[in-house]
Amino acid sequence: KQEVTQIPAALSVPEGENLVLNCSFTDSAIYNLQWFRQDPGKGLTSLLLIQSSQREQTSGRLNASLDKSSGRSTLYIAASQPGDSATYLCAVPLGNDYKLSFGAGTTVTVRA
Amino acid sequence: NAGVTQTPKFQVLKTGQSMTLQCAQDMNHEYMSWYRQDPGMGLRLIHYSVGAGITDQGEVPNGYNVSRSTTEDFPLRLLSAAPSQTSVYFCASSYADGVKANSPLHFGNGTRLTVT
Repeated sequence: KQEVTQIPAALSVPEGENLVLNCSFTDSAIYNLQWFRQDPGKGLTSLLLIQSSQREQTSGRLNASLDKSSGRSTLYIAASQPGDSATYLCAVPLGNDYKLSFGAGTTVTVRA
Repeated sequence: NAGVTQTPKFQVLKTGQSMTLQCAQDMNHEYMSWYRQDPGMGLRLIHYSVGAGITDQGEVPNGYNVSRSTTEDFPLRLLSAAPSQTSVYFCASSYADGVKANSPLHFGNGTRLTVT
């Protein structure tokens, strides 16, 4: 069974600091890994999807890396802003089916 | 673009009552799914569908029914509500070959359900 872990559960940083969010998974046979953002009272928004053949994916200030062999992914957010405050979740497919296994998320607070 | 639309946004039920959570998407996605989100537990898959007329169970299907008569709609039915079903429910959609096609999942804004 695929288990996805995100540590820490919560993180508070001053504005301008770089954020590093971690995601680990137990089964390395994955097609891809997705990072999502969830604002309070809202649904999840897909931020980045890294294919298994890729080592990293970038979008603006966001960069996600993937190391399948070690079962880890890291989401970097450069020069954090108060608007980056949200919960960030990672998810991987369960086997060949499009059924995602989610981590519990890291709640980020960026202090102005 | 409406994307994935869920109704209602909030609902309070008494134990034993039944109700249907609605989900509709306008992106012509073959794949649709229902998740529940509970504090500290992440999201857990309830049911999913890879196309009209096809449904299957996820991790936590007990107490829930689904059907998929059209590509656009995927309602979730609670047969006899229990306090353990108090949660936030999310509907999500993607292309059916989402895994291999590396297609991201699109979520609705959720339905917050309380069962007393």
